[in-house]
Amino acid sequence: QQPVQSPQAVILREGEDAVINCSSSKALYSVHWYRQKHGEAPVFLMILLKGGEQKGHEKISASFNEKKQQSSLYLTASQLSYSGTYFCGTEGAGGTSYGKLTFGQGTILTVHP
Amino acid sequence: EAGVVQSPRYKIIEKKQPVAFWCNPISGHNTLYWYRQNLGQGPELLIRYENEEAVDDSQLPKDRFSAERLKGVDSTLKIQPAELGDSAVYLCASSPWGMGLAGLNNEQFFGPGTRLTVL
Repeated sequence: QQPVQSPQAVILREGEDAVINCSSSKALYSVHWYRQKHGEAPVFLMILLKGGEQKGHEKISASFNEKKQQSSLYLTASQLSYSGTYFCGTEGAGGTSYGKLTFGQGTILTVHP
Repeated sequence: EAGVVQSPRYKIIEKKQPVAFWCNPISGHNTLYWYRQNLGQGPELLIRYENEEAVDDSQLPKDRFSAERLKGVDSTLKIQPAELGDSAVYLCASSPWGMGLAGLNNEQFFGPGTRLTVL
């Protein structure tokens, strides 16, 4: 089942902060975050594992609440280059869910000067 | 390090015609994914390979779609015959290890995609 992202879109001015949320109805093993600019490939930002391990770009942070099956991506002091569509991808915990990423519908982030 | 390479970048065909997409993953990556991305949506997994074995093809419409990964490197995705609803971007991604087994090493590297238009 597809995770739900919120908000669907957000508009910022440079230097402002934003939070993008991702919520799943099933137990999760990991959450991935990607950013995709128009006409380009999705680019990896973060991976968060059940149990607390995480890896990602140093200027981006995220959290993963295993009990609530929710993750949030925190974008601070936004730059023009942060504009794009952000996707969370969730990997379920157990059975055939392992190894399969299900992506949300995306959050469009626009940063203005 | 070279990224994931896909070709062609764009393809326009008429319905009922066949079409094929090619993907060359990052060297050393044993896991390869094919996704379909419809306009305004997130990528949807079609098939996942670990080396040359298709370990998850549950979402591949097997009546018209087929895929292969010879020698565990390059992969080809084929549609025959194409339908209007197949218009989408087809993304290939690779990962250095299988999902669920290597935790933080499971980041996926995506290619630029092939934009398919079926008329």
